[in-house]
Order: sequence, then C-alpha cells, then structure tokens
Amino acid sequence: DTEVTQTPKHLVMGMTNKKSLKCEQHMGHRAMYWYKQKAKKPPELMFVYSYEKLSINESVPSRFSPECPNSSLLNLHLHALQPEDSALYLCASSQGLRGKGNIQYFGAGTRLSVL
Amino acid sequence: KNQVEQSPQSLIILEGKNCTLQCNYTVSPFSNLRWYKQDTGRGPVSLTIMTFSENTKSNGRYTATLDADTKQSSLHITASQLSDSASYICVVATTSGTYKYIFGTGTRLKVLA
Repeated sequence: DTEVTQTPKHLVMGMTNKKSLKCEQHMGHRAMYWYKQKAKKPPELMFVYSYEKLSINESVPSRFSPECPNSSLLNLHLHALQPEDSALYLCASSQGLRGKGNIQYFGAGTRLSVL
Repeated sequence: KNQVEQSPQSLIILEGKNCTLQCNYTVSPFSNLRWYKQDTGRGPVSLTIMTFSENTKSNGRYTATLDADTKQSSLHITASQLSDSASYICVVATTSGTYKYIFGTGTRLKVLA
C-alpha cells in the first residue's frame, strides 16, 4: 500500500469557521508534510513532521495549526482563514527526511475554498 | 539563492511524438534531483530520483538526465500518450541547513490525439 489518503476531497468554509484537514498513511513513514498549492504554481512547503515532532514550520500564519496525533496521522486545523488561503492542500509522507531513498508520496489533496 | 527553473512553461505535442523538458537549478549543496508528474487536481507522483553521480535514470517511457557540472537536468518522454498530459515538476533536494526540497515552477504538457 503506497497510498496517502486525504479527507475531505473538497471543503468550502467561511472566514469564521473552524475546520480540519486529515491525512493518513500506513507505509510506516516517519516524515509527513503539508504543502499548499495555488493554481498553476508548484507546491509550497508549510510544515514537516519527523517522528511525530514538528521539524519545519515555514513561517506559516497561526490560523493554520498542524497536529500529528500518531505516526500514521497528520491533521491541519484551520481557523479564521482568508479568501487568499483558498488552494489545494497536499499531504505527503516519506520514510525519513534525508537522502535519495526518501521518496515523497503525495495524497490527492483537499481543494479548499474560503468564502 | 536556491532556485529551480523549468522550460518551457507549457508544451503541446501530438500523440506518438517525443519531447524533452528542461530543468536548470542553482541549488547548493545539492543532494538529489527528482522529477514528478502531477495530473490536474491530484498530488504529484515521483518519476525518477538522481544523485550527483547518476547521469541518467529511466522509468518506462520517461528518461531523466543530469549534468551536475552545468546544473541541468532534462526529462525525455518517448512516444507520448494522451495520459502523459500533466504538469511535470523538477525538485532539487538540498542539505543546506535543514533538508529541503526546492520545487520548480513546472512544465504543463498537453498531448493531442
């Protein structure tokens, strides 16, 4: 199983809502990532977790709050978002953080629209 | 500044034809270079990964080359199929500070029947 599952596939939320994006993998990977991707642009790294600890936070606004409850799950909690936060949110996982052998497997993404 | 540039930005070819996509990078220190295929609305899927010492890597009809001296890579697609229509993203991994992936802006390929 080389699958990274993201739910929901689509999400529409108002600027005052609180919602969460979920990501799950069962490949035994110890590194998990959140990316944000705007249309026709490459993915931009938001957060990296390694062994369930936050390893990298790319100066992401606090209205995005990541959580890694266990080695298979990664959540992204959303609160008081802005319309410009509308994008495709991608989750990825890899065996570790470094080296050629660490292939990143991406989920299909959650398409988020903030109204 | 670590950058990955891809060309062309977009490309349209006829089914059955070959094409070559380019990637130039100024990333240092270099760890490895990856090519991904991303279908519209989907996550990227890894095609090839190459380290400094590897000049070429194939995955079916996809062949990637790497010239670490000139900091250039190419992705050659042979006998294109309609299903090859996608964005192709070049990603360079660096060990500068924390381990990071630098994404290129991608080439959007459209294969026509």
